[in-house]
Amino acid sequence: NAGVTQTPKFQVLKTGQSMTLQCAQDMNHEYMSWYRQDPGMGLRLIHYSVGAGITDQGEVPNGYNVSRSTTEDFPLRLLSAAPSQTSVYFCASSYFQGGGGAFFGQGTRLTVV
Amino acid sequence: SQQGEEDPQALSIQEGENATMNCSYKTSINNLQWYRQNSGRGLVHLILIRSNEREKHSGRLRVTLDTSKKSSSLLITASRAADTASYFCASQYYNTDKLIFGTGTRLQVFP
Repeated sequence: NAGVTQTPKFQVLKTGQSMTLQCAQDMNHEYMSWYRQDPGMGLRLIHYSVGAGITDQGEVPNGYNVSRSTTEDFPLRLLSAAPSQTSVYFCASSYFQGGGGAFFGQGTRLTVV
Repeated sequence: SQQGEEDPQALSIQEGENATMNCSYKTSINNLQWYRQNSGRGLVHLILIRSNEREKHSGRLRVTLDTSKKSSSLLITASRAADTASYFCASQYYNTDKLIFGTGTRLQVFP
């Protein structure tokens, strides 16, 4: 039982490049979400999903796309990386409708130069 | 911003003392959750309190919730050096299930 797995752990991108951050969970959770964490800002919600085929925007969605084709996977795509997207990204999953707390991955540290 | 706020931003105490952190949120909620984050690691869920509850205990943790003031507090009793971490509250929005985090409190417990 791996929980929430994020890949890669570290990534350096050049401005304008695109990439996909991967997130997979093996707990059959309906709810999955992506956050970014910046110093002094706490965690800010980027996008979230309440089930396969359903996604919605969070607090800071611009520059990011998501899709949810399966219950297990929730990839985050950066379309054209910018230095302002340098951050630590966390994926989380939980049962829908407040069934308990969220489980977090270990994070992806992204630097855009 | 939808983000909640926590205070204090940083707290330093000696082992054995109690630590209290406060959280405010902005909208109607299903529940309020507290998480811990050790430096450079993912977040770990500590405790959840539902909107119809006023107080909840788990080991050395005590959480209170005041929905009329849109606020919560986390009390850690008899702190240990191993409690050194950042603590975040997260409010789960009513009807949408969005989980919105506060800005966090950095707790340092000195031996």
